[in-house]
Amino acid sequence: NAGVTQTPKFQVLKTGQSMTLQCAQDMNHEYMSWYRQDPGMGLRLIHYSVGAGITDQGEVPNGYNVSRSTTEDFPLRLLSAAPSQTSVYFCASSYSVLPGEFPTEAFFGQGTRLTVV
Amino acid sequence: AQTVTQSQPEMSVQEAETVTLSCTYDTSESDYYLFWYKQPPSRQMILVIRQEAYKQQNATENRFSVNFQKAAKSFSLKISDSQLGDAAMYFCAYRRGRLNTGNQFYFGTGTSLTVIP
Repeated sequence: NAGVTQTPKFQVLKTGQSMTLQCAQDMNHEYMSWYRQDPGMGLRLIHYSVGAGITDQGEVPNGYNVSRSTTEDFPLRLLSAAPSQTSVYFCASSYSVLPGEFPTEAFFGQGTRLTVV
Repeated sequence: AQTVTQSQPEMSVQEAETVTLSCTYDTSESDYYLFWYKQPPSRQMILVIRQEAYKQQNATENRFSVNFQKAAKSFSLKISDSQLGDAAMYFCAYRRGRLNTGNQFYFGTGTSLTVIP
């Protein structure tokens, strides 16, 4: 079972470069999210999606873009990388057992460690 | 806004002993879910236990149990018969209830648990 797959696992960028962190899930989950994890701050929500074609901002969206063209994929784009974006990024997905029901717990990918120099 | 507080940055426990990790949260909502996630050195986020706010009975999963005090907004995790494999960072998380259209989890800053052989 693949679950939630993130690529790459590690990445080093130069300031000003752009890149896309990939996230794919094979569980047909409607909900997908991106978090960043920084020391001493837990995980913070960047963007989320409640279904294909629908995205919204989380707690810390500045500097990031997302799109959700398919149920399976939810890429995170860094338009112009900054050292403040050095972090570990997690993608997560979840689903509702029944329409309108409360989604289950989040299933996380293994994370991408990004360093911006 | 919801906040989750873990006041113990580090804890240690002797193998086979019991340890309790603390978590408090702040919310004005009555319908929500609480979670404990474990993050070992592999970085993978693993669900340990989940508690629905509308349930008075404390959740239990094998050696893991919670003490959920809704009025006090407290959600502690008890690990019994601690094993070396329990060593990890533990995150307490809050998720808004049924009417939420997103999937935002609010995480605490984590407690690093060391298990001493």
